[in-house]
Amino acid sequence: DIVMTQSPDSLAVSLGETATINCKSSQSVLYSSNNKNYLVWYQQKPGQPPKLLIYWASTRESGVPDRFSGSGSGTDFTLTISSLQAEDVAVYYCQQYYGTPYTFGQGTKLEIK
Amino acid sequence: QVQLQESGPGLVKPSETLSLTCTVSGGSISSYYWSWIRQPAGKGLEWIGRIYTSGSTSYNPSLKSRVTMSVDTSRNQFSLKLGSVTAADTAIYYCGRGGTYSNGIFDSWGQGILVTVSS
Repeated sequence: DIVMTQSPDSLAVSLGETATINCKSSQSVLYSSNNKNYLVWYQQKPGQPPKLLIYWASTRESGVPDRFSGSGSGTDFTLTISSLQAEDVAVYYCQQYYGTPYTFGQGTKLEIK
Repeated sequence: QVQLQESGPGLVKPSETLSLTCTVSGGSISSYYWSWIRQPAGKGLEWIGRIYTSGSTSYNPSLKSRVTMSVDTSRNQFSLKLGSVTAADTAIYYCGRGGTYSNGIFDSWGQGILVTVSS
């Protein structure tokens, strides 16, 4: 199985500032035939299911604010949330879909400082 | 906008079989990959497995011996059976849709159903 490791486990960021969450996979999730990274980011608020934010490591889902951005390739990825808003408080998960079983990171809890 | 809704017993006895159904509304179940994902309270997400509308399945090896998934396209439903449950199977169970962008990208989720394993 591909192991996904996120860092940090939690972070507190001031409103209007930038939050950065990292995700590392135990093997590359870059598929050479199409040069795509099989990595997705979800946001989960309390009592809700996860919500798709970014797929192919950097493509924003429709309706997701552009303050959310994804970057990285191979085994190292980053979710950046700029101009942090109060509604961004949530747990964020990365997930690889390079191969089954699909696996998730342990989650990063984002709070307001 | 497609909607997914999980249903089934919220309490299952140890050693028995957990059975859940996901009903898809607002869109067709056809030509998508349908997954089950679970989340123990306060913990992370675990992919259980998926089924395509043709009936082909892929299960997480960690659960494979106990999992069966099926699909009923006439009812726009798919189902999960997990046998020989223990307290470790207590979790919120979500159904999710994959295949809009790629099989493993879940762009729609149900609200989840809490299943407790206890006598």
